[in-house]
Amino acid sequence: GAGVSQSPSNKVTEKGKDVELRCDPISGHTALYWYRQSLGQGLEFLIYFQGNSAPDKSGLPSDRFSAERTGGSVSTLTIQRTQQEDSAVYLCASSSGGGFGTQYFGPGTRLTVL
Amino acid sequence: RKEVEQDPGPFNVPEGATVAFNCTYSNSASQSFFWYRQDCRKEPKLLMSVYSSGNEDGRFTAQLNRASQYISLLIRDSKLSDSATYLCVAGAGGTSYGKLTFGQGTILTVHP
Repeated sequence: GAGVSQSPSNKVTEKGKDVELRCDPISGHTALYWYRQSLGQGLEFLIYFQGNSAPDKSGLPSDRFSAERTGGSVSTLTIQRTQQEDSAVYLCASSSGGGFGTQYFGPGTRLTVL
Repeated sequence: RKEVEQDPGPFNVPEGATVAFNCTYSNSASQSFFWYRQDCRKEPKLLMSVYSSGNEDGRFTAQLNRASQYISLLIRDSKLSDSATYLCVAGAGGTSYGKLTFGQGTILTVHP
């Protein structure tokens, strides 16, 4: 079956612009996660969804970052007023089993802020 | 101190070699442990889960020592296709879900 998909695959934007990143999880997976991976850094947790709720937003680095999930499926990560330090690969993962299942990752969105 | 620490390498080994990666974690409440593999410019993929009893999958063996908060991965008879970054991962305990904390990754290059 289809895996996790993300769009766009690459995004180049100018400092100060807003961007939206999209994640389509594996069908039926109730848990959805956003991570980011900066050059030379490990994966950094951003936010976790169970259904449409986000019980853990502790990894969002600032109030410029927000995320939502609708219909228990697609999720959007929004970064407002982008800064150069936001440049990274943003990865989405989904899992079944109430959030303890294996996390399957999408291919990521590579964001470059000029 | 990072919650999950790994030797970043790089490890450069010839085909057929045995190579071992080590990892330590600081959160004693962690309940689940994994090794993920990440190829260049690709997403991480689960290689194997790690259990206290140790587990083996073909050429790969993983071990967990809870007392020392130490995780290891052994790769025997290395193949060129094993070249990748190996991520040590701990799943938090005391939460309602499997929040994962990743190490920085260990780079492995297997050469002919």
